[in-house]
Amino acid sequence: QLQLQESGSGLVKPSQTLSLTCAVSGGSINSGGYSWSWLRQPPGKGLEWIGYSYSSGSTYFNPSLKSRVTISVDRSKNQFSLKLSSVTAADTAVYFCARSGDGGWFDPWGQGTLVTVSS
Amino acid sequence: QSVLTQSPSASETPGQRVTISCSGSSSNIGSRFVYWYRHLPGTAPKLLIYRDNQRPSGVPDRFSGSKSGTSASLAISGLRSDDEAHYYCAVWDDSLRTVVFGGGTKLTVL
Repeated sequence: QLQLQESGSGLVKPSQTLSLTCAVSGGSINSGGYSWSWLRQPPGKGLEWIGYSYSSGSTYFNPSLKSRVTISVDRSKNQFSLKLSSVTAADTAVYFCARSGDGGWFDPWGQGTLVTVSS
Repeated sequence: QSVLTQSPSASETPGQRVTISCSGSSSNIGSRFVYWYRHLPGTAPKLLIYRDNQRPSGVPDRFSGSKSGTSASLAISGLRSDDEAHYYCAVWDDSLRTVVFGGGTKLTVL
């Protein structure tokens, strides 16, 4: 059964770059023609999709975040990563990774990891 | 403000049926498939319904999805205490060019 697990720094200073990794187990990140997404949920707010990458390297990002986001896939390590630059307090959120398909299809998800932006 | 509108809360007694609604527009629900997720804080969100009304393997038939025009609904029958969770709708928006989520509905089983 496919499982995803987020990891990375839980505290990032304002203006710095947030970096997270999602380890994929129970299946190959190369298989099935799926994309690999990042999403987030600020405290007390709803879910927001950040963007995805295919294992080929093809990417697409939420236009509201596009200028600050990088998503990359490491096929050798069966994992994918998120970098979000120039962070502010508004980027404080629980960040989730997920396998993605047709617009709005995410399955499965990781448990999420809290990232706090604070000096 | 979310692009998709959901009531913040819903409640019903065990064994009963509850319906959670999601209201959008022609650029999202009116033209694209709707997806539903269940989320308990601290855990991984779970896909319940895809492509408006399809259940993934393992999701009980107590859960059903429907759509009419620019609104979609998730119905849960035979409510159980462990159905208490937050429920979110999601869909691609052609105008915003991104996936959008509803604000979520917190379901309480009384």
